Amino acid sequence: RKEVEQDPGPFNVPEGATVAFNCTYSNSASQSFFWYRQDCRKEPKLLMSVYSSGNEDGRFTAQLNRASQYISLLIRDSKLSDSATYLCVTNAGKSTFGDGTTLTVKP
Amino acid sequence: GAGVSQSPSNKVTEKGKDVELRCDPISGHTALYWYRQSLGQGLEFLIYFQGNSAPDKSGLPSDRFSAERTGGSVSTLTIQRTQQEDSAVYLCASSPGGALDEQYFGPGTRLTVT
Repeated sequence: RKEVEQDPGPFNVPEGATVAFNCTYSNSASQSFFWYRQDCRKEPKLLMSVYSSGNEDGRFTAQLNRASQYISLLIRDSKLSDSATYLCVTNAGKSTFGDGTTLTVKP
Repeated sequence: GAGVSQSPSNKVTEKGKDVELRCDPISGHTALYWYRQSLGQGLEFLIYFQGNSAPDKSGLPSDRFSAERTGGSVSTLTIQRTQQEDSAVYLCASSPGGALDEQYFGPGTRLTVT
């Protein structure tokens, strides 16, 4: 079993839809958490950090559930430009990346 | 400000040759990471530096792979006697402080071994 698990998708949604991704992690010592997005043939780019209290950045909301060991990303009013692969990352002194969830937003 | 830079952006080499890949982290960032990513696959951790020391080399796939970092800045990843299975994108990332901080990635070096 992988240390960080993500549903690979693909998620195909229409513009304007709300979509949510979950990511589960097995290392209970994980202390910091992030979401990255990666466009095709590009490097990952930091999207947002994830805090226990939850945090929001525009149309994006990230949540952390330590008891159940998962993090989530919610995208509201999705845009064509949101099409990408979303990677979750947990960090327990060493970063562990999930393999990513692919999102395609269609007109 | 300047981000993480990597060179070369593309490298084609013959099987059996040695290659050196370079990473210039963001100025002032103390932590530096190397990953590789094969087409359509996730990120594979290779090695992590804090300053010039490498507390975690657990991801290096074989003794053909080595990395160093000098002056707490530039890092080179060396692959000796390259094999076709080494073909991948090699990504470098840096982070401002310790191992728990967010990472910023360079554009990668696409290595093709023929």
